[in-house]
Amino acid sequence: QMQLLEAGPGLVKPSETLSLTCSVSGGAISSASYYWGWIRQPPGKGLEWIAAMSYSGDTFHNPSLRSRVTISVDTSRGQFSLQLTSVTASDTAFYYCVRHRSGSVDSWGQGTLVTVTA
Amino acid sequence: DIVLTQSPDSLAVSLGERATINCRSTHDLFPGSNNKNYVAWYKHKPGQPPQLLIYWASTRESGVPDRFHGSGSGTDFTLTITSVQAEDVALYYCQQYYFIPYTFGQGTRVEI
Repeated sequence: QMQLLEAGPGLVKPSETLSLTCSVSGGAISSASYYWGWIRQPPGKGLEWIAAMSYSGDTFHNPSLRSRVTISVDTSRGQFSLQLTSVTASDTAFYYCVRHRSGSVDSWGQGTLVTVTA
Repeated sequence: DIVLTQSPDSLAVSLGERATINCRSTHDLFPGSNNKNYVAWYKHKPGQPPQLLIYWASTRESGVPDRFHGSGSGTDFTLTITSVQAEDVALYYCQQYYFIPYTFGQGTRVEI
């Protein structure tokens, strides 16, 4: 069964870079059938799609975050990563790594809370 | 961005009753080229990640109970729970995946 697991610091200082990694198990990351991505949810608010990437490098970004987001896939390690630069308090959220199947999300990580605070 | 508006914001039903959640899009999500509507529905319980229920507007994900039904086309979509069970208490979200950025509705809370 596909499992996704986020890892990264739970606290990030304003203006610094948020970095998260997602480890994939129970399935191949190098599958043409899926895209790998990130979705976030500020506490008490709705879901916001951030970006997604295929194992071969096709990438899609939310334009509202594009200038600050880098997403990458490491097929040799079975991982993919998110970097979000110049964070502010509004970037405080639960961050989920996800697997997209034709755009819908059929697998989710458990989510990790990242708090931006000095 | 495509805006998805769900109604109602919250819904209280009795066990065994029907629950109906609507999702309206600002843009047509049925391009016609593949005869599919690019809409998914998710169930989200506290402390857990969201769970995919329905994709292509009406296709039930493997393992999802058959009391969950998705319907609609174009700009108007519906998730129906035909006989609500205690474990169905959750937030429900619709999502469109035809336009980048993918977007979600604001959520509908189902309570008993």
